[in-house]
Amino acid sequence: DSGVTQTPKHLITATGQRVTLRCSPRSGDLSVYWYQQSLDQGLQFLIQYYNGEERAKGNILERFSAQQFPDLHSELNLSSLELGDSALYFCASSVESNRRYEQFFGPGTRLTVL
Amino acid sequence: TQLLEQSPQFLSIQEGENLTVYCNSSSVFSSLQWYRQEPGEGPVLLVTVVTGGEVKKLKRLTFQFGDARKDSSLHITAAQPGDTGLYLCAGEGDSWGKFQFGAGTQVVVTP
Repeated sequence: DSGVTQTPKHLITATGQRVTLRCSPRSGDLSVYWYQQSLDQGLQFLIQYYNGEERAKGNILERFSAQQFPDLHSELNLSSLELGDSALYFCASSVESNRRYEQFFGPGTRLTVL
Repeated sequence: TQLLEQSPQFLSIQEGENLTVYCNSSSVFSSLQWYRQEPGEGPVLLVTVVTGGEVKKLKRLTFQFGDARKDSSLHITAAQPGDTGLYLCAGEGDSWGKFQFGAGTQVVVTP
């Protein structure tokens, strides 16, 4: 158990819909990362937040957005869903020690868009 | 974009054999991490290497960071079925704490 929690574990929805994925980082970790993992694309970095502020952006679509709240939990919002958005979505939090960022991943949310 | 290439994509070996997985890039990384991921679960961090030429050992696993900090290898001695999984390398590039992941090497160790 990494200490990072994600809900829900599974999500099945239809094209065009909007969903929200939730992540709670490990106690004390200020950074939260979101990743998308699909069979053909591997693990793709989407976005990073640090203490409530967006820090880095990766391959995140405009239809996707995220935020980190004062209690440090984070949400990833996916809208106008397409079949191709079906994937595993992982959240990770990191501890920063001597400029080393060791990421701890949650169990993931499996999104299926029908 | 700093591209990380992992090879081989797939490796199937018998219990007791040795194996090596490679992670290569044309770019320099400030640090590199190795993870193992099992089906339906999140990746689990195995090691972080920071210094060029650094070698780290974790029981039967040996990790090496290239002198130029552009490549890394993971060597498993006397592999066991419990070593089965997807091995991912991730390089920390320009931005602090931002990691680029390789596509992974699927390792299968059969009894």
